[in-house]
Amino acid sequence: DADVTQTPRNRITKTGKRIMLECSQTKGHDRMYWYRQDPGLGLRLIYYSFDVKDINKGEISDGYSVSRQAQAKFSLSLESAIPNQTALYFCATSEGTGVTYEQYFGPGTRLTVT
Amino acid sequence: AQSVTQLGSHVSVSEGALVLLRCNYSSSVPPYLFWYVQYPNQGLQLLLKYTTGATLVKGINGFEAEFKKSETSFHLTKPSAHMSDAAEYFCAVSGPWKSSGDKLTFGTGTRLAVRP
Repeated sequence: DADVTQTPRNRITKTGKRIMLECSQTKGHDRMYWYRQDPGLGLRLIYYSFDVKDINKGEISDGYSVSRQAQAKFSLSLESAIPNQTALYFCATSEGTGVTYEQYFGPGTRLTVT
Repeated sequence: AQSVTQLGSHVSVSEGALVLLRCNYSSSVPPYLFWYVQYPNQGLQLLLKYTTGATLVKGINGFEAEFKKSETSFHLTKPSAHMSDAAEYFCAVSGPWKSSGDKLTFGTGTRLAVRP
């Protein structure tokens, strides 16, 4: 089984709808991240969490919110989806012992807002 | 603030030819550098990383990269391209944990095509 899973893998929604993207991990990592990928822009950080009680905004957090329900679960919500939030969304995890580690990515969720 | 520039959004090589993907970074602290690969319809997979120590870093699938502080570069190379190397490659930079936590800043990516 995959270490980092994302649900759903694909989602089409309408403008104004609230949607939630979910991420679960079995790696036992403390740190979790949400990125969005747009063609030609690379990956940009939306939110990150160093533990259940520590959640921080990334560079493009407007229009998004997150919830860290447990060490293993980190959800991203779009309160009122708009077309320019159409993108590929990735969840990632890394170890959390005060040293910079590489991040491990989920397979992504392709979101289309019509 | 940190940033990454990847020169060339698309690179095409013949099978068996040298692969060279360029990455330059900007960082106010000693950088940690990463190369990730993304195959179609998949997430990102770590190819290799530089944190401290030896500046020539070897990764998976025959790739390697050299950290050159004087040139602020971390170019990715592979001596002989294989068809299976066709993918998108991302360079990323992070500072040491104490200064910037784990935040990765990604380049815009280079799509590698391998011609038969």
